[in-house]
Amino acid sequence: QQQVKQSPQSLIVQKGGISIINCAYENTAFDYFPWYQQFPGKGPALLIAIRPDVSEKKEGRFTISFNKSAKQFSLHIMDSQPGDSATYFCAAKPPGGYNKLIFGAGTRLAVHP
Amino acid sequence: KAGVTQTPRYLIKTRGQQVTLSCSPISGHRSVSWYQQTPGQGLQFLFEYFSETQRNKGNFPGRFSGRQFSNSRSEMNVSTLELGDSALYLCASSPSSGNTDTQYFGPGTRLTVL
Repeated sequence: QQQVKQSPQSLIVQKGGISIINCAYENTAFDYFPWYQQFPGKGPALLIAIRPDVSEKKEGRFTISFNKSAKQFSLHIMDSQPGDSATYFCAAKPPGGYNKLIFGAGTRLAVHP
Repeated sequence: KAGVTQTPRYLIKTRGQQVTLSCSPISGHRSVSWYQQTPGQGLQFLFEYFSETQRNKGNFPGRFSGRQFSNSRSEMNVSTLELGDSALYLCASSPSSGNTDTQYFGPGTRLTVL
């Protein structure tokens, strides 16, 4: 019930294409869903986050789509660039007001020129 | 504002030793969380401190402990190191007001246990 399942494990996209990463969860009480980007040798950096009362959130080229009934959420990267090549993690926060995140396994994205 | 800083960045220890890692949160942040990142298990929550009190704990053995000081700086300690403790240890800080769910990660401490 505390798991977050992320797919695909790896993704290759051509420059200018759309990258789509999916996550699914079981616990309907999760109340915050962030996406993080991590480059080798660096800590994860917050990209964008959404709460379950919103179905979509867009920030620049990054969009989260959230389907509460299906218990799924996804990250869309429009006009993907080689600089977007990194590992992406989805996460979910259990309710309770504390800062514990449950992470998906990660997706390694490679954007080819 | 300066970001989250972690020291040291790299550590090599041998089995049975103990280690202390340090984390300085973003100025004004009172919540500090610790995570372990390994290729096999991914990112796993260790514990969270807020105003010097541990208020959340993950499923790790008692060899993993932490504390937070009055200036919000935090340390985590791993005693009796095992080979499987080799990992990137990340700390994250969160603001006390506004988007309190947002966690800002440091660069991590890479621990290698030989």
